[in-house]
Amino acid sequence: DIQMTQSPASLSASLDEIVTITCQASQDIGNWLAWYQQKPGKSPQLLIYGATSLADGVPSRFSGSRSGTQYSLKISRLQVEDTGIYYCLQRYSAPYTFGAGTKLELK
Amino acid sequence: EVQLVESGGGLVQPGRSLKLSCAASGFTFSDYAMAWVRQAPKKGLEWVATIIYDGSSTYYRDSVKGRFTISRDNAKSTLYLQMDSLRSEDTATYYCAGPGIWFAYWGQGTLVTVSS
Repeated sequence: DIQMTQSPASLSASLDEIVTITCQASQDIGNWLAWYQQKPGKSPQLLIYGATSLADGVPSRFSGSRSGTQYSLKISRLQVEDTGIYYCLQRYSAPYTFGAGTKLELK
Repeated sequence: EVQLVESGGGLVQPGRSLKLSCAASGFTFSDYAMAWVRQAPKKGLEWVATIIYDGSSTYYRDSVKGRFTISRDNAKSTLYLQMDSLRSEDTATYYCAGPGIWFAYWGQGTLVTVSS
């Protein structure tokens, strides 16, 4: 099974700060990676797919990148509504695996 | 507008069965793969199963293989998850996700609690 190692587990940042969350895949998964945001009591929301493509309706301050088997989600200017838990997902091969999640809070 | 509405969750004893449904609307259901994803209380997301657009191929995580069956009725635009031999570790909110491979939409989830 492909392991997705997500870091950090939690993060506290200030408004307008740049935030970066990473996922390391245990093997090559190409661009078969997505990022999701989940707010308390709500369903996850797709942010990024194909490692770098912004999902419909997602603010442009979110972006995704890839360097080899390391994937990053960047929030260019943190806003209040960006708090929540972020997950990566590999869709390269079954069983499809999520990262453990990153809890993002405002400082 | 895409909508996915799950139903069928509840409290069930270990070893018993439960069948979840997901009613889809707002897209051509029969054109897309669909999936079930679960989340145990206070835990992360876990992919459970996927079915391709016509139901001819299905995929499962190892821990549910042989116990869970994903299926679909394209005429009714409905996705199902038959869960047999339920265990306490299956306790979770179950989400229907799709359409397609990137889980662009999720239902509100249905809670399954396995307990005696």
